[in-house]
Amino acid sequence: DIQMTQSPSSLSAFVGDRVTVTCRASQGISNSLAWYQQKPGKAPKLLLFAASTLESGVPSRFGGSGSGTDYTLTISSLQPEDFATYFCQQYYSTPHTFGQGTKLEVK
Amino acid sequence: QVQLVQSGAEVTKPGASVRVSCKASGYAFTTYYMHWVRQAPGQGLEWMGMINPSGGSTTYAQKFQGRVTMTRDTSTSTVYMELSSLRSEDTALYYCARGIGYNYALRYWGQGTLVTVSS
Repeated sequence: DIQMTQSPSSLSAFVGDRVTVTCRASQGISNSLAWYQQKPGKAPKLLLFAASTLESGVPSRFGGSGSGTDYTLTISSLQPEDFATYFCQQYYSTPHTFGQGTKLEVK
Repeated sequence: QVQLVQSGAEVTKPGASVRVSCKASGYAFTTYYMHWVRQAPGQGLEWMGMINPSGGSTTYAQKFQGRVTMTRDTSTSTVYMELSSLRSEDTALYYCARGIGYNYALRYWGQGTLVTVSS
């Protein structure tokens, strides 16, 4: 199984800050990576797929990058509605494993 | 619009089985794989497996092999996930989710079904 190591597990930031979350795969996943946002009591919401392709309707302040084993989610200027938990997922091979999650909190 | 509507919450005992349904609408049911993902209280997301509604073939995470069965009914556009030999650690919110199509990123999600395993 491919292990996805996501960091940090939690992060405090101000509105307007630029934040970065990283995911490292235990082997190369050829950009087969998605990022999700989850708010309490809600199903996850797809933000990006193929490492850097923005899902329709997602604000452009969300961006993704990376290759091989290392991937990054960047939020360029945090908005109040962005405080949530973020997960990465590889779908290169089954099982399609998730990172442990990053809880983004207001500082 | 695409909708995935899951069955209601279940309370069951250790050793029993549970079956959760997911009714799809708004798209060609047999065209997209359906996945099952679970989330224990306060925990992360765990991919359980997927089913191809076209032929019914399945792929399960090794962790659940022998305990999980995913099936589909094309006449009602419904997929089912049955988990057997339940234990307390199986208490979780179970989601069905549909991929984009040309990759397995999960674009559409059901509302989740809470399964509680308790004696």
